[in-house]
Amino acid sequence: KQEVTQIPAALSVPEGENLVLNCSFTDSAIYNLQWFRQDPGKGLTSLLLIQSSQREQTSGRLNASLDKSSGRSTLYIAASQPGDSATYLCAVRPDMGYSTLTFGKGTMLLVSP
Amino acid sequence: EAQVTQNPRYLITVTGKKLTVTCSQNMNHEYMSWYRQDPGLGLRQIYYSMNVEVTDKGDVPEGYKVSRKEKRNFPLILESPSPNQTSLYFCASRRGPYTEAFFGQGTRLTVV
Repeated sequence: KQEVTQIPAALSVPEGENLVLNCSFTDSAIYNLQWFRQDPGKGLTSLLLIQSSQREQTSGRLNASLDKSSGRSTLYIAASQPGDSATYLCAVRPDMGYSTLTFGKGTMLLVSP
Repeated sequence: EAQVTQNPRYLITVTGKKLTVTCSQNMNHEYMSWYRQDPGLGLRQIYYSMNVEVTDKGDVPEGYKVSRKEKRNFPLILESPSPNQTSLYFCASRRGPYTEAFFGQGTRLTVV
């Protein structure tokens, strides 16, 4: 059974720092991996979708990498801002039995001014 | 604006009183799902649908029902809610089996 782990569980940084959030998964038979942010009372917002054939995907200050064979993905946030404070979730979709996303428990990020 | 809309956003109810949480998407997506999120357990899929009249169980379907009579709507039904169904519920949709998933704002349900 697929398990997704996110480390650290919480992270606090001062504004302006570059930071990396980690996601690991136990079964490398994935089709893609999706990063979300979750704000209290605002649901999940999709940030990046990275296919298993891709190594990186970028959107603005965000860069996601994927190493499928080693079961790892990272989300790099450049020049962090207080508005980046949220919980970040990664989720993987298997390449067989595409019905569900398996989620990690998230990294709670606090960026202080 | 492309979105997934859930209603209500907050609901407090009593044990055994039937309720329905609605979900609607305006993106003409084929696939829709329901998840619940609990502290320490993360998000888990309850039910999913691949098209109109096609639904199947997810990881935690007990105590829930769904229907998909129209492409845009995928309501979640709790026929006899119990306190262990107190949770934060999310509806999601996507165009194809492996495409990007979009989530609603969530429904916080409390069963007393």
